[in-house]
Amino acid sequence: GEDVEQSLFLSVREGDSSVINCTYTDSSSTYLYWYKQEPGAGLQLLTYIFSNMDMKQDQRLTVLLNKKDKHLSLRIADTQTGDSAIYFCAEKMDTDKLIFGTGTRLQVFP
Amino acid sequence: DSGVTQTPKHLITATGQRVTLRCSPRSGDLSVYWYQQSLDQGLQFLIQYYNGEERAKGNILERFSAQQFPDLHSELNLSSLELGDSALYFCASQKMGASYGYTFGSGTRLTVV
Repeated sequence: GEDVEQSLFLSVREGDSSVINCTYTDSSSTYLYWYKQEPGAGLQLLTYIFSNMDMKQDQRLTVLLNKKDKHLSLRIADTQTGDSAIYFCAEKMDTDKLIFGTGTRLQVFP
Repeated sequence: DSGVTQTPKHLITATGQRVTLRCSPRSGDLSVYWYQQSLDQGLQFLIQYYNGEERAKGNILERFSAQQFPDLHSELNLSSLELGDSALYFCASQKMGASYGYTFGSGTRLTVV
């Protein structure tokens, strides 16, 4: 099937690190993505990783990919209240369509 | 502004009616994708167009149809609307084969009453 799984909620204290996890289905996916959706807005691309990479770092964001387990994670360092949003992982299929996960709602409290 | 324009932003209509949602992709992007986001279903892929041709179809109902015009804008037509069709409808565009993923519009919120 084409189910991409994520946990629904994550709550962290401001300044701590957040780790959002994702399990995808297609081992032949070439690219995997993380998107952020703030209330009332569309999805904003945060970062992506090519399937032959294990890790990618981009400022406060670190993406880890375990291709054997089809597991993707997004770590946000020094989480801020402005990071509160829904985070979606997505895998790219052969027709270039993206299959999105269920989304993880991140809540950051002071 | 992402460069992907969706109109209208909000739409309220009655059951049984028909509506048209419009999307203008980013300049130069040939691919257009439509997604439906509802509270309990997450983000569901509906349909993909590339340079005017349908390329992939997801869980799109027969009551729904779409097309991409020669100027690359796309329209999603929803007919015989039901309460369960209430959702956010997103359009996204991409240059074919690009690694950097889609650019999303801000969506059309459809409410069926």
